[in-house]
Amino acid sequence: NAGVTQTPKFQVLKTGQSMTLQCAQDMNHNSMYWYRQDPGMGLRLIYYSASEGTTDKGEVPNGYNVSRLNKREFSLRLESAAPSQTSVYFCASCQGWEKLFFGSGTQLSVL
Amino acid sequence: EDKVVQSPLSLVVHEGDTVTLNCSYEVTNFRSLLWYKQEKKAPTFLFMLTSSGIEKKSGRLSSILDKKELFSILNITATQTGDSAVYLCAVLNTGTASKLTFGTGTRLQVTL
Repeated sequence: NAGVTQTPKFQVLKTGQSMTLQCAQDMNHNSMYWYRQDPGMGLRLIYYSASEGTTDKGEVPNGYNVSRLNKREFSLRLESAAPSQTSVYFCASCQGWEKLFFGSGTQLSVL
Repeated sequence: EDKVVQSPLSLVVHEGDTVTLNCSYEVTNFRSLLWYKQEKKAPTFLFMLTSSGIEKKSGRLSSILDKKELFSILNITATQTGDSAVYLCAVLNTGTASKLTFGTGTRLQVTL
């Protein structure tokens, strides 16, 4: 069972570069999420998609864009990376009011 | 703004000890509280609590919710080195999507 799959697992960017983090889930979940995790800050919600065709801002959306490509896929784009975006990024999905299932994370460093 | 506070921030215990982790919350439209364990990578689900006073148990781990006082505790008995991890508490609101608000976590280290 694949569950939630994120790519890449690691990435190093220079300031100003752009990149897209990919996420796909095979559990037929309606809702998908992007979180970032920083030391001492816990997990903070960047964007979420309650269903295919909808996206909404979370707690820390600045500097990011998202696309819900279809029910399975939810991508996160950094248009112009900044050192403050150095973090571990997690994608997650869930169905209804159930628990979130997390991907294995992407460790991003912006130099 | 929804808020989740966990204590202590970190804890070091000896194998065999019993530990209690705390989670207090303020959320506008509470639906449930979840506990996750995070070792190296992705958080893994432990418990979801919706009703007050009903203890959830899984082996040596148990958790209970107090909706009146707005807190939950996670107990681990007879701790083992494999319990070393960050334990995350999160609350789920009743909004459009299942948005979780996380606490900063409690880092537990179990030593021999």
